[in-house]
Amino acid sequence: EPEVTQTPSHQVTQMGQEVILRCVPISNHLYFYWYRQILGQKVEFLVSFYNNEISEKSEIFDDQFSVERPDGSNFTLKIRSTKLEDSAMYFCASSIGTSGGQRKFFGPGTRLTVL
Amino acid sequence: GQNIDQPTEMTATEGAIVQINCTYQTSGFNGLFWYQQHAGEAPTFLSYNVLDGLEEKGRFSSFLSRSKGYSYLLLKELQMKDSASYLCAVRVSNTDKLIFGTGTRLQVFP
Repeated sequence: EPEVTQTPSHQVTQMGQEVILRCVPISNHLYFYWYRQILGQKVEFLVSFYNNEISEKSEIFDDQFSVERPDGSNFTLKIRSTKLEDSAMYFCASSIGTSGGQRKFFGPGTRLTVL
Repeated sequence: GQNIDQPTEMTATEGAIVQINCTYQTSGFNGLFWYQQHAGEAPTFLSYNVLDGLEEKGRFSSFLSRSKGYSYLLLKELQMKDSASYLCAVRVSNTDKLIFGTGTRLQVFP
């Protein structure tokens, strides 16, 4: 089965630093997402992206966050100035469409630790 | 607001059957998903329901009642590898995002 891949698997950074989390969605998918999961808490939606635009974002996704599809295969999440509370597992997901039960395929995640 | 409730933890014995319940109160409804998540790993898709009734897929089945805002995931012939968290997620109307419950951590004992 095709897979979403993410790099790095772990990222440790100092508070205030910028981080870029990278994802390679499944090749024929058109819709891309970032979710995060703080340790011991629920998975939370951050942003959805389609046709080179943000289609929806949550309250969490403030001005410190941005997403980009710099080429035909990568999808990135940038946090401009990390805070302690940004420590979480960040999951990228993709889907071929949005109708009905089009499922989202999740990547293995990047564990971000902000010190 | 959006609210999805699941039991926090459940235990069961290998070979048994377990039912994990999920209730939701959301602004609109456009489908309910169940995902399995092993510790430190990504959620993996198990099932999708949008109409009332039972969907069966091998050892796993999922049921939905839209009028009651209720779903359950039924796992039969439990195996040790089924020890994981099971996440209920609702897709609300006019949006593509999933709202997740906190997940139910299932432990299967020999």
